[in-house]
Amino acid sequence: GAVVSQHPSWVICKSGTSVKIECRSLDFQATTMFWYRQFPKQSLMLMATSNEGSKATYEQGVEKDKFLINHASLTLSTLTVTSAHPEDSSFYICSARPTGRQSYGYTFGSGTRLTVV
Amino acid sequence: GENVEQHPSTLSVQEGDSAVIKCTYSDSASNYFPWYKQELGKRPQLIIDIRSNVGEKKDQRIAVTLNKTAKHFSLHITETQPEDSAVYFCAGTFQTGANNLFFGTGTRLTVIP
Repeated sequence: GAVVSQHPSWVICKSGTSVKIECRSLDFQATTMFWYRQFPKQSLMLMATSNEGSKATYEQGVEKDKFLINHASLTLSTLTVTSAHPEDSSFYICSARPTGRQSYGYTFGSGTRLTVV
Repeated sequence: GENVEQHPSTLSVQEGDSAVIKCTYSDSASNYFPWYKQELGKRPQLIIDIRSNVGEKKDQRIAVTLNKTAKHFSLHITETQPEDSAVYFCAGTFQTGANNLFFGTGTRLTVIP
């Protein structure tokens, strides 16, 4: 149980365009999901916490107008990288934990490798 | 956010030897400490976790110890095998709010056959 699906697994886009990444909890509900970014050979950096039905909470230094998060249902959160630039190229990964199940660990999606050319 | 420090950044051991990775955290209210293994280009996989009401947990060749007073926790891998080679991340959560996971900087473990 506790499977998180993330799409696409990789995407190449032109500079200035926007890219949407989806994160779905397949067999559980998650009122909260988390978005991370990982640069090569670096750790996972928390970008924002996605909250179902309300605004996302962004970590310091993360531009909320550039990284739009929508969490419209208990099983889906989306991250849109707007006006992407080459420096946004990275591995984006989401995670979630079943709502109300504190004994469960966090499960990660398979990640999305974004390349902006 | 929570500050989680991890050492060493790289670790090489001979097959069959033990490997130890250590992490410290800053928020005394943190209560959940998972360890993840990440292979190149793949998602992190939870390998073991421990909660603040427990001092030690073991699962076959993997164990985690927690010292809440000193605010540090460690991963122990015994009888290492080449397939243990990967990057390992520790993490910790804030007690309040959404219980966000904050990661350590990672340790690249290489098990030499």
